[in-house]
Amino acid sequence: EVQVVESGGGLVQPGGSLRLSCAASGFTVSKTYMSWVRQAPEKGLEWVSVIYSGYNTYYADSVKGRFTISRDNSKNTLDLQMNSLRVEDTAVYYCATVYGYTSSQFDSWGQGTLVTVSS
Amino acid sequence: QSVLTQPPSASATPGQRVTISCSGSSSNIGVNNVCWYQQLPGTAPKLLIYRDDQRPSGVPDRFSGSKSGTSASLTISGLRSGDEANYHCAAWDDSLSGVVFGGGTKLTVL
Repeated sequence: EVQVVESGGGLVQPGGSLRLSCAASGFTVSKTYMSWVRQAPEKGLEWVSVIYSGYNTYYADSVKGRFTISRDNSKNTLDLQMNSLRVEDTAVYYCATVYGYTSSQFDSWGQGTLVTVSS
Repeated sequence: QSVLTQPPSASATPGQRVTISCSGSSSNIGVNNVCWYQQLPGTAPKLLIYRDDQRPSGVPDRFSGSKSGTSASLTISGLRSGDEANYHCAAWDDSLSGVVFGGGTKLTVL
């Protein structure tokens, strides 16, 4: 069974950094397209980033230059390094598998991890 | 402000049919597949419709999707109280090189 579980969320001050991780089971992260999607409190979904084969990645303009998506093949995890965090980055962050290149089809989602950016 | 436009709310009584719209442009819905997600209260989103009108296994045929030009729709027939949720549309945007979502529609079953 395909399953993803996010971790690493928490409270961080503006300007700070946080690293999220998404543990995968039932599939191999290195062979799967994967994305991060976030949802601010009482708001809609916002796509953050996607990683395809190799190091082919895309980012939303709102996080470009501050966030980095990567895989740790030895741990079978997807990571999101978040730097220069802003109050508006406060959200639940979901990890999801992606079906297809340049696709909006997110097949499997985790339960999410909450990131709060506040002083 | 979301790139895709959805009504913020919709409502209907049990047994009725409700349609939720999703309006985009020639760089997203007009040229790429649309997906719909159901998000029950307090839970993660779940894929409901993919490739405009396809249902994943396990999704009842009461849920259907369609697309015409730069707009898409999700129709739920035989409405049930358990269908109360937020519904989100999504598509890849060629101009932005990323996925865009609608703002979500909160469905209330009266």
